[in-house]
Amino acid sequence: AQSVTQPDIHITVSEGASLELRCNYSYGATPYLFWYVQSPGQGLQLLLKYFSGDTLVQGIKGFEAEFKRSQSSFNLRKPSVHWSDAAEYFCAVGAGYGNKLVFGAGTILRVKS
Amino acid sequence: NAGVTQTPKFQVLKTGQSMTLQCAQDMNHNSMYWYRQDPGMGLRLIYYSASEGTTDKGEVPNGYNVSRLNKREFSLRLESAAPSQTSVYFCASSSYRAPNYGYTFGSGTRLTVV
Repeated sequence: AQSVTQPDIHITVSEGASLELRCNYSYGATPYLFWYVQSPGQGLQLLLKYFSGDTLVQGIKGFEAEFKRSQSSFNLRKPSVHWSDAAEYFCAVGAGYGNKLVFGAGTILRVKS
Repeated sequence: NAGVTQTPKFQVLKTGQSMTLQCAQDMNHNSMYWYRQDPGMGLRLIYYSASEGTTDKGEVPNGYNVSRLNKREFSLRLESAAPSQTSVYFCASSSYRAPNYGYTFGSGTRLTVV
């Protein structure tokens, strides 16, 4: 069965600094990979997704992620963080019948000014 | 706006009461899902419906039932609520196949069982 690990529960970065959120997955075949963002009290919004092809994918709000098969990773990056990026970020892998998504436990991002 | 609509947004139940959470999507998606979100645990799948007329258990189905009423609607029922079911519930829908595959989430239902 597939699984997702987000090793960092909390991350704090300064506004304007670069950001990398880690995600490792476990799945036997080529997975579908996703990053979602959730602001407090809100639903989840899709940032970006990977199905196949170019391993560097661009998303909304200036985010990008790189799929590395050899490391079973799909890390999320942003060159310069804005205060409005403070939120919780979820990595997810989709596969199998019904294309169910399995989510990681999430990483809470704090941005300090 | 097109999307996934969940009702109600908030609910307080007493232990043993029943209720149904409603979910409807207007994107003509085949698949629909119910998740619960608890602090530090991410989202866990309760039930899903890969297509109209089918439903299957997810990771944490105990204490819940679902109905795929038609292609648009997918409801979640708590027959006898327990405090352990206090959570935020999210409904989602998805087209089945890449490249359109990817969940659209509702805004959630915050449920408290006392």
